[in-house]
Amino acid sequence: DTAVSQTPKYLVTQMGNDKSIKCEQNLGHDTMYWYKQDSKKFLKIMFSYNNKELIINETVPNRFSPKSPDKAHLNLHINSLELGDSAVYFCASSRNREGDTQYFGPGTRLTVL
Amino acid sequence: QKEVEQNSGPLSVPEGAIASLNCTYSDRGSQSFFWYRQYSGKSPELIMSIYSNGDKEDGRFTAQLNKASQYVSLLIRDSQPSDSATYLCAPRTGGGATNKLIFGTGTLLAVQP
Repeated sequence: DTAVSQTPKYLVTQMGNDKSIKCEQNLGHDTMYWYKQDSKKFLKIMFSYNNKELIINETVPNRFSPKSPDKAHLNLHINSLELGDSAVYFCASSRNREGDTQYFGPGTRLTVL
Repeated sequence: QKEVEQNSGPLSVPEGAIASLNCTYSDRGSQSFFWYRQYSGKSPELIMSIYSNGDKEDGRFTAQLNKASQYVSLLIRDSQPSDSATYLCAPRTGGGATNKLIFGTGTLLAVQP
């Protein structure tokens, strides 16, 4: 069983479109994260949720809106996609907000044309 | 100054040698430190964590921490071609609900057969 899963794995879209990425974890963890890894492999946290509550919101454009319907799911919706949004987006989870061990999903490679 | 600095590499070592990966960080308040390994096209996976000054050994891996020097390193003994990957250093910064991992840009390790 996959611990942290994401869909889709690849996403190719035009500038200006709106898209969503879904994430699910079956580890029973309380805390989930979204990370962005750019073309230079720099991995940066975007958001963190603990038991459906937003606890970390980095300086991310408000075109990015996370949603956590329950503690096992964390989705990311992106409005008005821009070229600079092209990256790999990783979802991760940890047992609690201390986040000692974070388990990463396989990533979603987003390409904006 | 970057929050977490790593030599991007590539660090090339022959099979069987010791690979030494270094990392410096800027937040003196960081108390926990993590090393993640990321194979090309894959997601990061945790390989070591260290919380106290000194050495921590796990199989062929040894993490070393010096909080006074704000320095953490990872030694890989008897390097194997399968160790070829990017190694990401990640101190945990902040406190309480807002603590988060800050990733370095990673060091690419290439183990030559």
